Amino acid sequence: AQSVSQHNHHVILSEAASLELGCNYSYGGTVNLFWYVQYPGQHLQLLLKYFSGDPLVKGIKGFEAEFIKSKFSFNLRKPSVQWSDTAEYFCAVNEINFNKFYFGSGTKLNVKP
Amino acid sequence: NAGVTQTPKFRVLKTGQSMTLLCAQDMNHEYMYWYRQDPGMGLRLIHYSVGEGTTAKGEVPDGYNVSRLKKQNFLLGLESAAPSQTSVYFCASRPRTVGNTGELFFGEGSRLTVL
Repeated sequence: AQSVSQHNHHVILSEAASLELGCNYSYGGTVNLFWYVQYPGQHLQLLLKYFSGDPLVKGIKGFEAEFIKSKFSFNLRKPSVQWSDTAEYFCAVNEINFNKFYFGSGTKLNVKP
Repeated sequence: NAGVTQTPKFRVLKTGQSMTLLCAQDMNHEYMYWYRQDPGMGLRLIHYSVGEGTTAKGEVPDGYNVSRLKKQNFLLGLESAAPSQTSVYFCASRPRTVGNTGELFFGEGSRLTVL
């Protein structure tokens, strides 16, 4: 079965610091990759997704992610975080021929003002 | 534009009671999913459906049943609730797309507590 690993469980940053959250998956075939964000008390919302083309994808709110196929990774980045980025971030993967989505365990980001 | 709507939003049950969570989507999506979210474990797939009248098991299906009698609705049932089913439940839907690229659209969640 597919597995998704997010090694950073809790990250604390000051405003304006740079962010990088790691995501690795185990499936060797063709996958679609997603990052979702969950603000406190809210449902999950899509930040960005990758399914083909340029491995560097840009999403909403200044987030971007890079797909490195050889490393099975899809790390999320933001050059300068804001207090409003405080949330939990989830990486998700689905294999292109299947309908299941697999989620990582999430990374809680706390941005200090 | 309602998107994905879950009812109820909150529920407290006693062990052994039954209940049904309702998910409704108005986006004409083919695929629907039920996840549970527990601290430190991310989202785990309970059951999913690829179309009206079809359902399939996910990672953690035990203790749950589902039905998709209408395309827009996906029901999650607990026949005999257990404390281990205390969780936040999320419903999601997504469209059928070439290459399976469609993302999930989530409801706002249903917080269930089993005493």
